[in-house]
Amino acid sequence: EVQLVQSGAEVKKPGESLRISCKGSGYRFPRYWITWVRQMPGKGLEWMGRIDPSDSNSNYSPSLQGHVTISADKSIDTAYLHWSSLQASDTAIYFCARQGYNQQFDSWGQGTLVTVSS
Amino acid sequence: SYDLTQPPSVSVSPGQTASITCSGDKLGDVFVSWYQQRPGQSPLLVIYHDAKRPSGIPERFSGSNSGNTATLTISETQAMDEADYYCQAWDSSTAVFGGGTKLTVL
Repeated sequence: EVQLVQSGAEVKKPGESLRISCKGSGYRFPRYWITWVRQMPGKGLEWMGRIDPSDSNSNYSPSLQGHVTISADKSIDTAYLHWSSLQASDTAIYFCARQGYNQQFDSWGQGTLVTVSS
Repeated sequence: SYDLTQPPSVSVSPGQTASITCSGDKLGDVFVSWYQQRPGQSPLLVIYHDAKRPSGIPERFSGSNSGNTATLTISETQAMDEADYYCQAWDSSTAVFGGGTKLTVL
């Protein structure tokens, strides 16, 4: 069974750094891109970017480029989403998802709630 | 940037057919996926490649895409279908989601 398990909820202050994770199991992790999706409180889904775990090739939403970094460690089947300086507007649930061979997001993590507040 | 437009809400009576649209410039030239998100849950893929159903998704869910509009159709709608639905497509190497449609079954 394909599973993506994300790290737990985080509470941070503005300006702090943060890395959240997404661990895949039940499939060959390097063979599928991993995407990150943001859902702000009460809002819709927003694609942030993706990474190919086999070579760490990545691309980002133009609106978020430079604010977050996506990385992966294929040796431990894990992808990451990193902020160097959080803002209150980063408060959201973050989902990782596997991108299937037809470009669809066919398996999703349970989501990680990030709260940024002074 | 590429925009996908969905109606904010759709209502349907149990047992009837619900149709949720997704509009975008020349949307029919690309493939569209649809996701269901129940409150407090992660999204679930219900349609991909315009009209294909993943394993485990009931046949009641179907999709189409032509011109500037993609449509998700749910026949014999059940209470458990009440959720937010999102369309999604690719604009070059960037994924785009529609704003979402809240389906109410009443």
